[in-house]
Amino acid sequence: KNEVEQSPQNLTAQEGEFITINCSYSVGISALHWLQQHPGGGIVSLFMLSSGKKKHGRLIATINIQEKHSSLHITASHPRDSAVYICAVAPLYYGGSQGNLIFGKGTKLSVKP
Amino acid sequence: DAGVIQSPRHEVTEMGQEVTLRCKPISGHDYLFWYRQTMMRGLELLIYFNNNVPIDDSGMPEDRFSAKMPNASFSTLKIQPSEPRDSAVYFCASSLRPSYNEQFFGPGTRLTVL
Repeated sequence: KNEVEQSPQNLTAQEGEFITINCSYSVGISALHWLQQHPGGGIVSLFMLSSGKKKHGRLIATINIQEKHSSLHITASHPRDSAVYICAVAPLYYGGSQGNLIFGKGTKLSVKP
Repeated sequence: DAGVIQSPRHEVTEMGQEVTLRCKPISGHDYLFWYRQTMMRGLELLIYFNNNVPIDDSGMPEDRFSAKMPNASFSTLKIQPSEPRDSAVYFCASSLRPSYNEQFFGPGTRLTVL
């Protein structure tokens, strides 16, 4: 079983729809990252969070540490949101944190006009 | 700042040849990461450095792979000899203290080994 699981793997939406991508993890973490990878291949960090909720424009990320679960929401989706969204966790080992990230396999989002 | 810089952007080589990928992190970032991305396995950490010192290289596939960071502004990932299964996109990323700060990714190097 992968330590970071994302769902769904693929998602097609109509422009304007509300979108939710889920991420579950099985290890203790110090932080969780949401990354966006555009068709051209570049990777951009969207959020880093360790508790609660963060919002940036039409993007909202939430995390529930007790349930080991995070969600990424996109409101009023647009074709330019089409990308692969990747969840990654910074695992917490022995009371301290190492620098590495463990990645989910990504969710490929396609927003149709 | 120009962001994380990687070179070359594309590399096509023949099996058995040596390949060197290069990375310049963002100035002031003391953590540098090398990742590999394939369709089958997604993104995987190969190795990371803190203050130019390798901290965790457990993701390096085998002895054919080596990485160095001779100074704070430059790192290399070398594959010798290269094999077709090494074909992937290799990303370099840098950050401040990574547990508390986002990572900034370079544009990646697409490696094809024929």
